[in-house]
Amino acid sequence: GENVEQHPSTLSVQEGDSAVIKCTYSDSASNYFPWYKQELGKRPQLIIDIRSNVGEKKDQRIAVTLNKTAKHFSLHITETQPEDSAVYFCAAGTQYGNKLVFGAGTILRVKS
Amino acid sequence: KAGVTQTPRYLIKTRGQQVTLSCSPISGHRSVSWYQQTPGQGLQFLFEYFSETQRNKGNFPGRFSGRQFSNSRSEMNVSTLELGDSALYLCASSQQSSGNTIYFGEGSWLTVV
Repeated sequence: GENVEQHPSTLSVQEGDSAVIKCTYSDSASNYFPWYKQELGKRPQLIIDIRSNVGEKKDQRIAVTLNKTAKHFSLHITETQPEDSAVYFCAAGTQYGNKLVFGAGTILRVKS
Repeated sequence: KAGVTQTPRYLIKTRGQQVTLSCSPISGHRSVSWYQQTPGQGLQFLFEYFSETQRNKGNFPGRFSGRQFSNSRSEMNVSTLELGDSALYLCASSQQSSGNTIYFGEGSWLTVV
């Protein structure tokens, strides 16, 4: 069935360094790939998304890349700050409704 | 514009009871979906409604059900509660029928004792 694998499960970086989180999806019909950030006790919030007709998208310190052939997509955060510490989830969706399949999440810790 | 609103925010129920959770989507959004979040299983899709019709359903037992009203508000119900149903239940809304950004509410924290 549909599956999204996310790595690593935890990631610790020094403030100012870059962080990369990778996801792999199984459903070839997937064409929408959002990333959500969830702080402790709060709701997941969309930080960036990409659609299958685009290979890369950037928003300030955050970028997402997509390799449809390999069914990989990645989140890149540059110049990390302590407030970037949170759980990050990748997800994949298709054109059939708004259902998303989520990865297991990555706990990002930015040490100051 | 107000975000997705979920009620109640916190509740404690006893095994065997049933619970109803409510969700009001962002104004103008017609698609509502529900997710269960637990430490062990992560974010799992329950079901999605659009224009009062269930369009997608996740792999949950029949004890989990939902509905959507003509004003796009949605409810989900869990009957015969089990300890393993303790979770954060998140509602999300989207403007169009498919392939769109979904926005989450703050969730309803359910504890089953």
